[in-house]
Amino acid sequence: LAKTTQPISMDSYEGQEVNITCSHNNIATNDYITWYQQFPSQGPRFIIQGYKTKVTNEVASLFIPADRKSSTLSLPRVSLSDTAVYYCLVGVGDDKIIFGKGTRLHILP
Amino acid sequence: DSGVTQTPKHLITATGQRVTLRCSPRSGDLSVYWYQQSLDQGLQFLIQYYNGEERAKGNILERFSAQQFPDLHSELNLSSLELGDSALYFCASSPRFESYEQYFGPGTRLTVT
Repeated sequence: LAKTTQPISMDSYEGQEVNITCSHNNIATNDYITWYQQFPSQGPRFIIQGYKTKVTNEVASLFIPADRKSSTLSLPRVSLSDTAVYYCLVGVGDDKIIFGKGTRLHILP
Repeated sequence: DSGVTQTPKHLITATGQRVTLRCSPRSGDLSVYWYQQSLDQGLQFLIQYYNGEERAKGNILERFSAQQFPDLHSELNLSSLELGDSALYFCASSPRFESYEQYFGPGTRLTVT
């Protein structure tokens, strides 16, 4: 199971683009990179998943460099409602899933 | 709304008691996962079932057990409850055998007094 490292917390302002980087130096060939969002007292919400290069959906973009040792979740034009904890997971799901501490994103008005 | 339902939403019980939490996965999803989230431990994976069979075990205590029924709903049984078992319990489902793309339910908040 690839270990991930994310910033503990980040602050940003409404309307800004927010980039959260996750480091995963020992990512395996078959591993995917998955990001979740969690609001207090709610279940985590699947945001995006990718293997390489760039993935985009209606919520976010995921940038993965060629060496795949890190990834960046990009949230365009954030609002106050994007204040949440964001988790980066790396693996294929064939092992015990570890969510870690995540990144507490605080959006300011 | 993820499509995953959990009942009950809240549960208050006393130490030493036994409770059952119920989860209905999204339509078509064969995998069900159970998680425990407490303030000091974060989100902990407990156990996974796939199409009725136990597939993976995480940090699940021997006092806890789970099963997945033929209609794919799942139940998590917690017995001999202790104060430290107070937590949010989440169920998640996935269409695949092994995947980090999971869809979480709203959770059951268990309070042990």
